[in-house]
Amino acid sequence: DTGVSQNPRHKITKRGQNVTFRCDPISEHNRLYWYRQTLGQGPEFLTYFQNEAQLEKSRLLSDRFSAERPKGSFSTLEIQRTEQGDSAMYLCASSWTLGTGNSEQFFGPGTRLTVL
Amino acid sequence: SQQGEEDPQALSIQEGENATMNCSYKTSINNLQWYRQNSGRGLVHLILIRSNEREKHSGRLRVTLDTSKKSSSLLITASRAADTASYFCATDNNYGQNFVFGPGTRLSVLP
Repeated sequence: DTGVSQNPRHKITKRGQNVTFRCDPISEHNRLYWYRQTLGQGPEFLTYFQNEAQLEKSRLLSDRFSAERPKGSFSTLEIQRTEQGDSAMYLCASSWTLGTGNSEQFFGPGTRLTVL
Repeated sequence: SQQGEEDPQALSIQEGENATMNCSYKTSINNLQWYRQNSGRGLVHLILIRSNEREKHSGRLRVTLDTSKKSSSLLITASRAADTASYFCATDNNYGQNFVFGPGTRLSVLP
C-alpha cells in the first residue's frame, strides 16, 4: 500500500494522559499536514511540514500539542495532558508541492481520539 | 477567519439528477480545491482550480471559480448513490498558507 498511513486508528485515553500519533506519508512527498476534525465539521488545519521544517502552526495548536518530522519522512503528533475537548479525528495528509501554494493532498484514514 | 463556506449544508437528490454545491470565501486565494469524504473515511481530492482559471472538468465533475464574487461551485452530473458523501472546499491564501476547509455539504443521493 503506497498511500498515507496513520497509527493507531483508534485511541482511547483518560483525561490528563499523553498520547502520540504517527503518520507515514507517501514516500516521495515533501509536505506533510496535520488536521483535526470533529463530527459534522470540516478539517481544521493544525500544522504542516516541508521536509523536516515545520513551516506553519495554527493558533488552534496550543502548547500541549507538538509535532515533529525529524527526518523529513514520518511525523508524530503528541498531545500532552489531554482534555475531553481534544476528542476528535486527527487527519494526516501529504503532498508533493514546489514553491508556494498548495497542491493535491492525499489523506490518511485518520486516528480517532476519545478522551474520557 | 473562515475561508471556505459551503452551501447548502445538506442536499438530497434522486439518482440521475445533478447536484450543485457552492463555496464562498473571504480573502484572495492562490487556489481552491474540492474534496469528498465518505462517512468515517479520509478525504479524497476531487479537483484543484487555480485563481487564474474559471472552469475545470473531471469526468462528471465541473468546477467553476469566480474570483470577483469569491465563490466556487461544484456540479456533479448524473449523480449515483455512490456519490453520497460530504463535500468540502478548501482554500489557501496568496502565500500558500492558512489552508482552510469549509464545514462541508452533505450530499445524499437516493436510489
